[in-house]
Amino acid sequence: ILNVEQSPQSLHVQEGDSTNFTCSFPSSNFYALHWYRWETAKSPEALFVMTLNGDEKKKGRISATLNTKEGYSYLYIKGSQPEDSATYLCAWVGTASKLTFGTGTRLQVTL
Amino acid sequence: DVKVTQSSRYLVKRTGEKVFLECVQDMDHENMFWYRQDPGLGLRLIYFSYDVKMKEKGDIPEGYSVSREKKERFSLILESASTNQTSMYLCASKGPIMNTEAFFGQGTRLTVV
Repeated sequence: ILNVEQSPQSLHVQEGDSTNFTCSFPSSNFYALHWYRWETAKSPEALFVMTLNGDEKKKGRISATLNTKEGYSYLYIKGSQPEDSATYLCAWVGTASKLTFGTGTRLQVTL
Repeated sequence: DVKVTQSSRYLVKRTGEKVFLECVQDMDHENMFWYRQDPGLGLRLIYFSYDVKMKEKGDIPEGYSVSREKKERFSLILESASTNQTSMYLCASKGPIMNTEAFFGQGTRLTVV
């Protein structure tokens, strides 16, 4: 089993705080790194798909970076809002389009 | 609007029953996946399929089998359900290109009693 690890496991922040999570993955046989957001009672939805070392992606207040040589990606949320509360999953894509997920970071944003 | 549909949202089955979980996608995707999600363990891959009639074991295939007779449909079969298979099951599909995202079904919460 190839390890994709995420930290922290959970996070509780106040509205307006900025926060970041880490995803570490195997640096060999790397094809892509995905970030998904999973809200309670909904299906996971893709935030970013990154393929190149040094890639940076941004969507509103959320951004992500990728380092394929050392095998890690960061997800940043600037000015957290209660609607950002969700579990954030990263997934490593190796050969044959197989997605291997991390255990997720559960974010709770309170007023 | 892209769609991955799982046949049931909630399911309760008895120990020893044969259970079928169905997943249908309308995006003509080659790749389809079955995951289970348990607290603290994230999404663990059970099986995936990269084409019709093709399948590969994931990380936790024991006690499960799959069927992909048509491109749009990927079935997960619990040959003889056990209580440790009580879980949330998620189906996903994805196109062939590495940098395309996966789309998920709404999940099936299976309880085996």
